[in-house]
Amino acid sequence: AQSVTQLDSHVSVSEGTPVLLRCNYSSSYSPSLFWYVQHPNKGLQLLLKYTSAATLVKGINGFEAEFKKSETSFHLTKPSAHMSDAAEYFCVVRSPSGGSYIPTFGRGTSLIVHP
Amino acid sequence: DGGITQSPKYLFRKEGQNVTLSCEQNLNHDAMYWYRQDPGQGLRLIYYSQIVNDFQKGDIAEGYSVSREKKESFPLTVTSAQKNPTAFYLCASSIVGQGVFQPQHFGDGTRLSIL
Repeated sequence: AQSVTQLDSHVSVSEGTPVLLRCNYSSSYSPSLFWYVQHPNKGLQLLLKYTSAATLVKGINGFEAEFKKSETSFHLTKPSAHMSDAAEYFCVVRSPSGGSYIPTFGRGTSLIVHP
Repeated sequence: DGGITQSPKYLFRKEGQNVTLSCEQNLNHDAMYWYRQDPGQGLRLIYYSQIVNDFQKGDIAEGYSVSREKKESFPLTVTSAQKNPTAFYLCASSIVGQGVFQPQHFGDGTRLSIL
C-alpha cells in the first residue's frame, strides 16, 4: 500500500523569499517520488523525480527536493520565489503493487506569491 | 513535438446525454490513464490501460466507460449514469518498462460542465 500527504493546502510567500512545500509518503516498497506543477486550466508538468539514486534531486525552474527515508519525506524547495511560480503543486508516490505501478497523488498545495 | 492532445477543451452535457472526451498521444507509450480533478481533492483515477484492448477500473469508475482499440487513443465516455460529471478531466500516459521510475505525461485537460 502507498499514500502521500501534502501537509499544507496553501502556502503564501513574498516574491524573492524561499519556498517550502511539504510532502510525506508511505510505501511498503522502495518508492519513486515525483513533484508536478499545474497552472490554471492546464495539465501537470513534471518538476523533478526521485528514483533511488541521489537523495537531493534538482528539477526545472530552480526547484529541488530531498528524499529523507528516516522521515518519509520529500519536501520541495526553491531559494527564491518568482511570481510565475504561483500554481498548484502535487507530490506523487509510485511503487510496485500487484504487478502494476499506479501512482498515488497528494491533494495538492496551492502556492501563492505576493509581489 | 511529441505529446498528449485532449479535445475538446470545454464540453457541455445535457441531462441524460452521454459525452465522449478524446485523448490522443504520439509518445509511443503503452500505458494511458484518465483522472478526474475536483477542487481540493487532487487527482482521482477513473480508468487505466497498460496495453491495447485491455483496461482496468480505477477508484471512481462508476458512470464512466473507456476503450483502447489503438495504442495512441484512449477515449473516455461520461455516461448519463454519472450524476455529478462537472469536473476537470486529465488524460496521461507513461512508459510501462521500469514502471515505478517512469513519470506520467499529461494533456491540458477537458473541462466538462452540465447545461
